[in-house]
Amino acid sequence: DAGITQSPRHKVTETGTPVTLRCHQTENHRYMYWYRQDPGHGLRLIHYSYGVKDTDKGEVSDGYSVSRSKTEDFLLTLESATSSQTSVYFCAISEEGLGGYTFGSGTRLTVV
Amino acid sequence: RKEVEQDPGPFNVPEGATVAFNCTYSNSASQSFFWYRQDCRKEPKLLMSVYSSGNEDGRFTAQLNRASQYISLLIRDSKLSDSATYLCVVNTHTGGFKTIFGAGTRLFVKA
Repeated sequence: DAGITQSPRHKVTETGTPVTLRCHQTENHRYMYWYRQDPGHGLRLIHYSYGVKDTDKGEVSDGYSVSRSKTEDFLLTLESATSSQTSVYFCAISEEGLGGYTFGSGTRLTVV
Repeated sequence: RKEVEQDPGPFNVPEGATVAFNCTYSNSASQSFFWYRQDCRKEPKLLMSVYSSGNEDGRFTAQLNRASQYISLLIRDSKLSDSATYLCVVNTHTGGFKTIFGAGTRLFVKA
């Protein structure tokens, strides 16, 4: 019954390669977000979207880009992966900008 | 000073105990507040919203103190299944949209 799915669930990639993570929702929510979670830092916002083709940066956006061509899909691209981008990435959705979030199951990315 | 601070714990409590967590925030313009629960290697899940009047959901009670700028979560009659990390979330929407997650408080409930 998951209204939000992330793919892939796990990925190992080499430094310098581009990587794209996908978030797909079936809830028709306006807002979508990409977070990363690292020990000691909690969840930090990378980018978010408030509509199709409407995106904005979060607090840790350097090295990342996003695209939202359809309401249901929000893609996160690491343009040239670095070891510092090894993390767990969560996508989230919400109906309102300040509402409670529903998170996807996460993507564990390792950059070697 | 961090914008949102939580005691990382861990809190180790026996089953049946009452435990309380606090979360302090620095921006007095913050508008909405939530508690999330995160199990090990899982995604955060919304536990409850926090209102000025306080709200209760079964064994869980959340409260907001705007004057002192903190929110609290009280868990009564702790269960083994309550073992998790509890994250507080503070939202601000003045001159821009900003959501800050606390780093979380770990709770272990022991038999």
